[in-house]
Amino acid sequence: AQKVTQAQTEISVVEKEDVTLDCVYETRDTTYYLFWYKQPPSGELVFLIRRNSFDEQNEISGRYSWNFQKSTSSFNFTITASQVVDSAVYFCALSGRRRDDKIIFGKGTRLHILP
Amino acid sequence: DGGITQSPKYLFRKEGQNVTLSCEQNLNHDAMYWYRQDPGQGLRLIYYSQIVNDFQKGDIAEGYSVSREKKESFPLTVTSAQKNPTAFYLCASRRTASGVNEQFFGPGTRLTVL
Repeated sequence: AQKVTQAQTEISVVEKEDVTLDCVYETRDTTYYLFWYKQPPSGELVFLIRRNSFDEQNEISGRYSWNFQKSTSSFNFTITASQVVDSAVYFCALSGRRRDDKIIFGKGTRLHILP
Repeated sequence: DGGITQSPKYLFRKEGQNVTLSCEQNLNHDAMYWYRQDPGQGLRLIYYSQIVNDFQKGDIAEGYSVSREKKESFPLTVTSAQKNPTAFYLCASRRTASGVNEQFFGPGTRLTVL
């Protein structure tokens, strides 16, 4: 069975600090996809990144970076120099490679950036 | 602009009444999904549809019904059989014709039962 675990329920950091959100997944598939979404207070989920399991290169997009480690089944998300606007709930998700596979979401991590 | 619209944003319902939540997408996506989110909780899948005129139950389908008569539309009806319907409902769509892709979400509908 597929499973996504986000052990950090809630995190608070002071603005400009770096913060890492953890994501650990379980799957029997050899090929799969990992995602991160942001849910700001408005409620809509915003897609951040998709990663294929055969591509283990880390990715950086501005202040955001993602560390994918297949050996530890982790796909962690780091925000550098955090800002108040980064305050949101962040979801990690997993999907198999078949078109009809559902996306499995973790329970989310609520991030508070304190001014 | 392409995207997913959900209406209304806020909805109030009396106990015992059915209510239908709208979800429309103009992204030409094949698959559509309904999720329920309770305070402090993750997303739970209610129903999903891979193609027109076909849909499958998710993890918490009891008390809900859907239809998929058009590719663009996937309305969700919350029936009186749903014992605890107050929640935030999110609709999503996904392009599946060329492999696995991410889901895109609508702005959500917050349903409150009075």
